[in-house]
Amino acid sequence: NAGVTQTPKFQVLKTGQSMTLQCAQDMNHEYMSWYRQDPGMGLRLIHYSVGAGITDQGEVPNGYNVSRSTTEDFPLRLLSAAPSQTSVYFCASSRERDGKNIQYFGAGTRLSVL
Amino acid sequence: GIQVEQSPPDLILQEGANSTLRCNFSDSVNNLQWFHQNPWGQLINLFYIPSGTKQNGRLSATTVATERYSLLYISSSQTTDSGVYFCAAKAAGNKLTFGGGTRVLVKP
Repeated sequence: NAGVTQTPKFQVLKTGQSMTLQCAQDMNHEYMSWYRQDPGMGLRLIHYSVGAGITDQGEVPNGYNVSRSTTEDFPLRLLSAAPSQTSVYFCASSRERDGKNIQYFGAGTRLSVL
Repeated sequence: GIQVEQSPPDLILQEGANSTLRCNFSDSVNNLQWFHQNPWGQLINLFYIPSGTKQNGRLSATTVATERYSLLYISSSQTTDSGVYFCAAKAAGNKLTFGGGTRVLVKP
């Protein structure tokens, strides 16, 4: 199993550009989430999904869109990048099993918006 | 939503020392996890522990759900223990909330 795979690892954008951060998992997990981590801070939830076709907003959803057309993939779209979106983005997946719901993280995407 | 606070924010240890990290949460939880973020940024799950005590090698964790806190113990610390330790908790619903982390530096 590859686990949770994020691409790209690094990206530099200009203000106003759009892009999609990719996230894929091969563990058949129903739950998937996107977080952002700013320097010296914890992770803040952007959007999450409890299954294909179902998404919901997290703590900081503005400026981001998501969709979940398949169980495996959960892309995050930046519609019009702003310098405030410079951050490290983490995708995570999990499933409910034996009363546990443990999150597994991808390696992260480091995004700079100039 | 639930509030998660970690202390101390920073911890410097001499190799071989023991330490305790604390996580306080503001509501009853059905999910509590401890993560280690290594210096390269990778997040690894250490414990799933909404209640009780667990041990994994030199690390152990205890959650006292009725008093709304969890403790992570590091014994005989090694330089590879350096990084940031995060506690994350979930109450009702599906949103896991992270604390601000404890940054640990273990000196040789």
